[in-house]
Amino acid sequence: GDSVTQMEGPVTLSEEAFLTINCTYTATGYPSLFWYVQYPGEGLQLLLKATKADDKGSNKGFEATYRKETTSFHLEKGSVQVSDSAVYFCALPWNNNDMRFGAGTRLTVKP
Amino acid sequence: DAGVTQSPTHLIKTRGQQVTLRCSPISGHKSVSWYQQVLGQGPQFIFQYYEKEERGRGNFPDRFSARQFPNYSSELNVNALLLGDSALYLCASSLRGLLNTEAFFGQGTRLTVV
Repeated sequence: GDSVTQMEGPVTLSEEAFLTINCTYTATGYPSLFWYVQYPGEGLQLLLKATKADDKGSNKGFEATYRKETTSFHLEKGSVQVSDSAVYFCALPWNNNDMRFGAGTRLTVKP
Repeated sequence: DAGVTQSPTHLIKTRGQQVTLRCSPISGHKSVSWYQQVLGQGPQFIFQYYEKEERGRGNFPDRFSARQFPNYSSELNVNALLLGDSALYLCASSLRGLLNTEAFFGQGTRLTVV
C-alpha cells in the first residue's frame, strides 16, 4: 500500500536556523499529502497540506511543495523558534480511510 | 466550535482487563477513525467508521472493537489487555473519507497497562 518515509532525527537547531525535514512517498496515484505536528503531551494538529502535484502548502512560516518528479514533500522553515519544538509527521491517506504516517521527526529548538 | 473530544485523558488498567475509550467528533463530521500511537512511533490506523458502519480496519487483533452511535460519537473497546497495548489512542474526525477531506485529531487517551 501507499506509504511515507520520513527522516527520523532527532533534529536540534538553534533559534532562527533553517529547518528541513525530508519526506518521500510511495503511492499508486496522487494522494493529498499532509504535515501534522504534535506538541508535547498533545494530539496531532494539521500543519499544512497539498492536494496535487506542484502545490505548495504553507502555515505559520512552514512550507512544503508536492513534488511528483522526486515523490517528495519536504517540510521547510526559514527561521525556527523555540515554540516550534515538537514532533512532525508526514502523512498521506490510503484507501480513503487510513491515514499513513511517517515515524515522526522530533525537533528541538534551543534559544 | 468544539474540536474532537476524547475521554478519559488518562487511564491505568491491569493486564487482562477491558477498556472503553470515547470520542465525540466535530459537529457535522460523520467519519471517526481510531489510531494507536506507541511511544516514539507514528500513529497506526485501527478503525474507521462512517455513517455508523465500519469502513476500514487496520492490522489489529480481534480484541479491538469499535462502534459508532447515531450522533456519530464512537467508542473503542479493547479486551484482554496486554502490556503492549499501552499507548496514546487518538480519535480523528472528518466530514467523509480521507481522500478529499482532512482529518482533525483529538488530544488522545493515554492508556497504561500494568
